[in-house]
Amino acid sequence: QVQLQESGPGLVKPSETLSLTCTVSGGSITNYYWSWIRQPPGKGLEWIGYIYYSGRTSTSYNPSLKSRVTISLDTSKRQFSLKLNSMTAADTAVYYCVRGGYYFDYWGQGTLVTISS
Amino acid sequence: QSVLTQPPSASETPGQRVTISCSGSGSNVGTNYVYWYQQLPGTAPKLLIYMNNQRPSGVPDRFSGSKSGTSASLAISGLRSEDEADYYCAAWDDSLSGMLFGGGTKLTVL
Repeated sequence: QVQLQESGPGLVKPSETLSLTCTVSGGSITNYYWSWIRQPPGKGLEWIGYIYYSGRTSTSYNPSLKSRVTISLDTSKRQFSLKLNSMTAADTAVYYCVRGGYYFDYWGQGTLVTISS
Repeated sequence: QSVLTQPPSASETPGQRVTISCSGSGSNVGTNYVYWYQQLPGTAPKLLIYMNNQRPSGVPDRFSGSKSGTSASLAISGLRSEDEADYYCAAWDDSLSGMLFGGGTKLTVL
């Protein structure tokens, strides 16, 4: 059974960069799409972007976040990561790492990231 | 405001059937597959329907999906109290080159 676990800070200061890591267990990290999705408190889901690796890496990002986002993958550690810079209060959300790029079949439990000084 | 439009709420009594709509456009629902997710309170979303009308293993056949043109629907029959959740539709948008989610529908089982 594939399992995903997010890790990273729960509190980030405004204007700083958020760094989150997702560790994948129970399955291969290659030849699959891996995404980050976020959900502001009490609101709906927002796709951040995906990464895919099968010898070469490809990424796709939400156009509204593209200038601030980087998603990377480390096959040796079975991890993929999210970096989101220039954080503001509007970025406060539960961040989920998920398997999939066009549909999402395995989800992490999510991690709440709050932006506050 | 989401590009995929869902009613914010729906309600029905146990045992009855409810449908949740998802309205999009030619660049998303009209062209690409629609997916549905169920989010129980305090938990991560769960894939409910993929490729318009396919159920992952373990999803009861009480849940069904359909698509016509630029609209899609999720139907839940034989409603149970445990179906009370938020439901989201999703589809890839070719114009945006990104994945879109509907705003979500909160289902209340009366």
